[in-house]
Amino acid sequence: GAGVSQSPSNKVTEKGKDVELRCDPISGHTALYWYRQSLGQGLEFLIYFQGNSAPDKSGLPSDRFSAERTGGSVSTLTIQRTQQEDSAVYLCASSLRQGVNTEAFFGQGTRLTVV
Amino acid sequence: AQSVTQLDSHVSVSEGTPVLLRCNYSSSYSPSLFWYVQHPNKGLQLLLKYTSAATLVKGINGFEAEFKKSETSFHLTKPSAHMSDAAEYFCVVRTYGGATNKLIFGTGTLLAVQP
Repeated sequence: GAGVSQSPSNKVTEKGKDVELRCDPISGHTALYWYRQSLGQGLEFLIYFQGNSAPDKSGLPSDRFSAERTGGSVSTLTIQRTQQEDSAVYLCASSLRQGVNTEAFFGQGTRLTVV
Repeated sequence: AQSVTQLDSHVSVSEGTPVLLRCNYSSSYSPSLFWYVQHPNKGLQLLLKYTSAATLVKGINGFEAEFKKSETSFHLTKPSAHMSDAAEYFCVVRTYGGATNKLIFGTGTLLAVQP
């Protein structure tokens, strides 16, 4: 596609429910990242994929958070038993490769609200 | 470990006057640095990147940044602010090595442009 696509753009869920957030990276981009942006916390790294593998998942805040990537393309971030502190904008980014000077392209994000 | 510090959380300028957004970095090796901009309710957009080819980097919309190793700085400047420049700006360093390859964001600088 022309850019990184995320869905849904907005999600309101009840506390305790599970949610899935989807990211379609730019075609051919092998590196994929998830970030979380919330007031007072800035942009937090969650997880990094190279192909279908996740060599760095150090930013996942708890075992309620998981992510997978299939076919070296689409990625899904799953939050189980959502809590109010999970409310944030979840951003996905992709890079053509993992080179040090390679910029990342960001999607518009999914705004998650847990009520 | 790599990190960036944005020295001002808010900057206000008048339209037509120069813009200076300050960023200091910490890196144990030659850093890979970026500036991103986020307009209200929009995604993150790359302004420019430092690739060690030149210390003065020109970006989009008239912005530029100068890499100064002696000062560990990568400040963003623009000669003349426009109303459309009002946004949040993020200084970013890429950290890599071993299993990790991720972008680390500064806390952001909110730029206001007064008419």
